[in-house]
Amino acid sequence: QSALTQPASVSGSPGQSITISCTGTSSDVGGYKYVSWHQQHPGKAPKLILYDVSSRPPGVSLRFSGSKYGNTASLTISGLQAEDEADYHCSSYTNKKTVVFGGGTKLSVL
Amino acid sequence: EVQLGESGGGLVQPGGSLRLSCAASGFSFSGYWMHWVRQTPGKGLVWVSRIRGDGHDTTYADSVKGRFTISRDNVINTLYLQMNSLGFEDTAIYYCVRGGTFYSVPFDNWGQGTLVTVSS
Repeated sequence: QSALTQPASVSGSPGQSITISCTGTSSDVGGYKYVSWHQQHPGKAPKLILYDVSSRPPGVSLRFSGSKYGNTASLTISGLQAEDEADYHCSSYTNKKTVVFGGGTKLSVL
Repeated sequence: EVQLGESGGGLVQPGGSLRLSCAASGFSFSGYWMHWVRQTPGKGLVWVSRIRGDGHDTTYADSVKGRFTISRDNVINTLYLQMNSLGFEDTAIYYCVRGGTFYSVPFDNWGQGTLVTVSS
């Protein structure tokens, strides 16, 4: 199972919005609603911020939103804040009953 | 509060074995799928294995199939990963992760990870 494709890095200024894409195939992203996004700060464990494409766990800011079209899922962060600077990882359930992650995207808040 | 605490990582020679443990608390352990996910320092996350709450359904990534074994003890709320025939490519931080109840995803709680280093 090949990793999902994410941009290596994105950047934005405080207050702006950014979008991170996550491209897979019909065997994973395109075939299931089970796409998740995790935020990871340096030296810390990942934290779930979106699941089932666009659902937010309790306590996660409304500034994080998700969508999916075909084989590509997207994470949008609106009103960028300094604390959003982190790595973001997408993941998807697959038709082999496994889970595949993207390579991760480093978000820089300029 | 959900807590997951990994242990058992360390330095091992190529071809060696290691067993990771993950102590779980704060939730009904036997009702949840559990997973192991690894991360090479500075790189992306890679899913390793999963096990159903009753322990009777397991799945592995192709890269570890036949070498790693996931198991659990629902009496003492502990998840395990037995790793055999370790290679340099297995060097990573290994995270214990809670999945769903009926479905195996999402990964809603992560441990802090334990570092496994394969080196001669």
